[in-house]
Amino acid sequence: AQSVAQPEDQVNVAEGNPLTVKCTYSVSGNPYLFWYVQYPNRGLQFLLKYITGDNLVKGSYGFEAEFNKSQTSFHLKKPSALVSDSALYFCAVRWGRTNAGKSTFGDGTTLTVKP
Amino acid sequence: NAGVTQTPKFQVLKTGQSMTLQCAQDMNHNSMYWYRQDPGMGLRLIYYSASEGTTDKGEVPNGYNVSRLNKREFSLRLESAAPSQTSVYFCASNQAASYNEQFFGPGTRLTVL
Repeated sequence: AQSVAQPEDQVNVAEGNPLTVKCTYSVSGNPYLFWYVQYPNRGLQFLLKYITGDNLVKGSYGFEAEFNKSQTSFHLKKPSALVSDSALYFCAVRWGRTNAGKSTFGDGTTLTVKP
Repeated sequence: NAGVTQTPKFQVLKTGQSMTLQCAQDMNHNSMYWYRQDPGMGLRLIYYSASEGTTDKGEVPNGYNVSRLNKREFSLRLESAAPSQTSVYFCASNQAASYNEQFFGPGTRLTVL
């Protein structure tokens, strides 16, 4: 069965510092990996995804993520954090071309960026 | 485009009452999903519909039923609400045949007393 883990419930960084939100996965075959962000009282918004090709993917709002097959990880990164990046972040994994597009979501990581 | 819309935004029920959560998307997506979000538990899939006319159970289907009314609309029904169903409910959609992301609605915050 596929699964995804976000080992940190909370990440705190100072504004202007780099940030990393971690995600590891377990899935047979080739995974499709996604990051979503959720602001308070809102639905999830897509940030970026890895399907195939270059292991470093770039997404919205200056975020990027690196797919590491040997470590089964897909960590979200940003070189310089903003206070407005404070939100709840979800990693999700999908596998295969079918399965009705279902994704398995991690439990989420709350990112707090302090001025 | 409105994207994915959900009604109502908030609802308070008493134990045993029934209600239907409505979801509609205007992106011509084949697949639609219902999730619940509880603190510290991420998103859990309740039911999904791969295409019009089909529905399947997800991870936590007990106590819920769904109807894929047409390609646009996917409703979630609680027949006899229980306090354990207090949660935030999200509807989402995507094109299942592609590798595209899911699009989420704004959510329904449900409290069962």
